[in-house]
Amino acid sequence: GQNIDQPTEMTATEGAIVQINCTYQTSGFNGLFWYQQHAGEAPTFLSYNVLDGLEEKGRFSSFLSRSKGYSYLLLKELQMKDSASYLCAVTTDSWGKLQFGAGTQVVVTP
Amino acid sequence: SQTIHQWPATLVQPVGSPLSLECTVEGTSNPNLYWYRQAAGRGLQLLFYSVGIGQISSEVPQNLSASRPQDRQFILSSKKLLLSDSGFYLCAWSVATEAFFGQGTRLTVV
Repeated sequence: GQNIDQPTEMTATEGAIVQINCTYQTSGFNGLFWYQQHAGEAPTFLSYNVLDGLEEKGRFSSFLSRSKGYSYLLLKELQMKDSASYLCAVTTDSWGKLQFGAGTQVVVTP
Repeated sequence: SQTIHQWPATLVQPVGSPLSLECTVEGTSNPNLYWYRQAAGRGLQLLFYSVGIGQISSEVPQNLSASRPQDRQFILSSKKLLLSDSGFYLCAWSVATEAFFGQGTRLTVV
């Protein structure tokens, strides 16, 4: 079967750093996406990794290790507006179809 | 720049009634288009994808169908809604390393 696993919930303090892990077991791999989804809204694109290593975009960074089937999303200098669900998704072919994990709810506290 | 429009934003429909959700994309040609559904508290599930006009692939058996009458138009339909069809329906398009979602339609079947 195909599995994409991520923690259900994480809590962190404003200004801190949080790392959201995602492990995947899929038949094939053609890239990994991270999305942010606020309650009641559509997901917004954060990052895409297809090669091993770290991709940095401002306060957000995403890391991929294909040999380990592992990725993480790093959120630095947390702000209250970062409270949201973070979705890990894998595409396994060239058609761009995404398989999603269940999402990690990040709660930022003052 | 590319934009994706999806409507309506919310919909309440009785069991057994028909459904038509529409999605249009601007600023790109021949995009891959997708319909996802997110049930309450769960991850996104791919329902249909299309790589061109008239080309539809279904990912899961269900009470729904999809059509692509024009290059940038993707429609999700049902002849008779079931209670289990309730959820958050999202249209998406992808190109290369990015994938974007429409605003979503929250469907409640009563």
